[in-house]
Formats: sequence, structure tokens, C-alpha cells
Amino acid sequence: ETGVTQTPRHLVMGMTNKKSLKCEQHLGHNAMYWYKQSAKKPLELMFVYNFKEQTENNSVPSRFSPECPNSSHLFLHLHTLQPEDSALYLCASSQGGGGSSGANVLTFGAGSRLTVL
Amino acid sequence: AQSVTQLDSQVPVFEEAPVELRCNYSSSVSVYLFWYVQYPNQGLQLLLKYLSGSTLVESINGFEAEFNKSQTSFHLRKPSVHISDTAEYFCAAYLITDKLIFGTGTRLQVFP
Repeated sequence: ETGVTQTPRHLVMGMTNKKSLKCEQHLGHNAMYWYKQSAKKPLELMFVYNFKEQTENNSVPSRFSPECPNSSHLFLHLHTLQPEDSALYLCASSQGGGGSSGANVLTFGAGSRLTVL
Repeated sequence: AQSVTQLDSQVPVFEEAPVELRCNYSSSVSVYLFWYVQYPNQGLQLLLKYLSGSTLVESINGFEAEFNKSQTSFHLRKPSVHISDTAEYFCAAYLITDKLIFGTGTRLQVFP
């Protein structure tokens, strides 16, 4: 167990469905992240939250809607997705707020494998 | 544009052979560099990092990486690999901005 737990591990959904991915960290970290991992592409940063406040939205389409109710939980709400959104969605957390102070080593969850039909 | 480049998408090697996974970054200023490893069906785990000081950094499982400022490289090496080292390896860096930039990954496949 890495300290960052993601559920569900696998999700298959149709383009008209609404679903949510959940991430929980037990490390006392202050920052949480969503990344998208697609084959043969670099990891794409989607959202960053520091102390529950969104500090980064990397031009993500509105069909992805993040929610961070507290520093330990992060959700990604999914609505009317496209087949090209199929990917592994990784949640991560860090002690620092996403900057390059050097202390911001990211701890990742195992990911949620999303398939959009 | 800032980037981290891993030229080799796959590296096949036999067990007990040495291996080098290449990583280059685009920056002329101070950087922080990382290697992460992803085993099958798992998330990424930190393998080692360079923040400052000695340019040679080591992990607990025998990997090492050397920061080379003149060549803007941070190659990962291991003198003798094991089957259990089979995984995807990602180089990452904080460059000019405060965003952590990842390379595309190198799949290390170790054969018996």
C-alpha cells in the first residue's frame, strides 16, 4: 500500500454515463494531483490542489470536473467522455504545494484504468 | 519549450547484464531531477532524485544516476539487472517553472 488509494481500479463507461474516480491519501500531504497516462505519451498533469484550493488546471476539457473536499480526498467527476479519454488516471500527493522547492516528491496511487466505449 | 526526453522507448537486456536508460532535459538553469519506476498494474514510485550536491545519486536497489550539467543528462544505470527490475522507468524534472515534467518512459524488459 503506497499511502495513496485510488478507486475504482478499473472502470468501463459509455459516452453518456456519469462516473467518478476517488483518491485518498493517508500521508498528511497538502497537495494533490490528477495525471493522465496514455500509451507512448508523457504523463499529462491535469489538476493540482493545494490545501483544497485548485492551483492548476492544465487546459482540461470541462467533461472532467475535479473536487477536493479536504486535503486527504480528491475526486474526478466524469461526464460525456470520448473514447480518446480512455487512459490510466493517476492521483498523486506531495508535502509541498506543487512548486520546485525540491521537497515535492510525488507519491502516486496505483491508478484507475478508464475505458470509454 | 521545456522538455524531458527519453529516447529509448524499450530496452531489452539479459539478466545480470548492465543497463543504461537515457534521459536528457532542456534547461540551462538549475534543475531538480527524478527517476520514477512503474511496475505492472501499479502507480509510479520514486527511485532516486538529484536536488543538489554530489552529482551521483543511488537508490537502495542498486540503480544510480549521474547529473551531467554540460550534457544536460541524467542517465540511469545498473551494473547487473534482475528479472524483478522489469518495469517502466520515467525520468522527470522541475525545470524553469514549478511544473514537474515527465519523459515518455522507457520500458526495461529483463530476460532470463
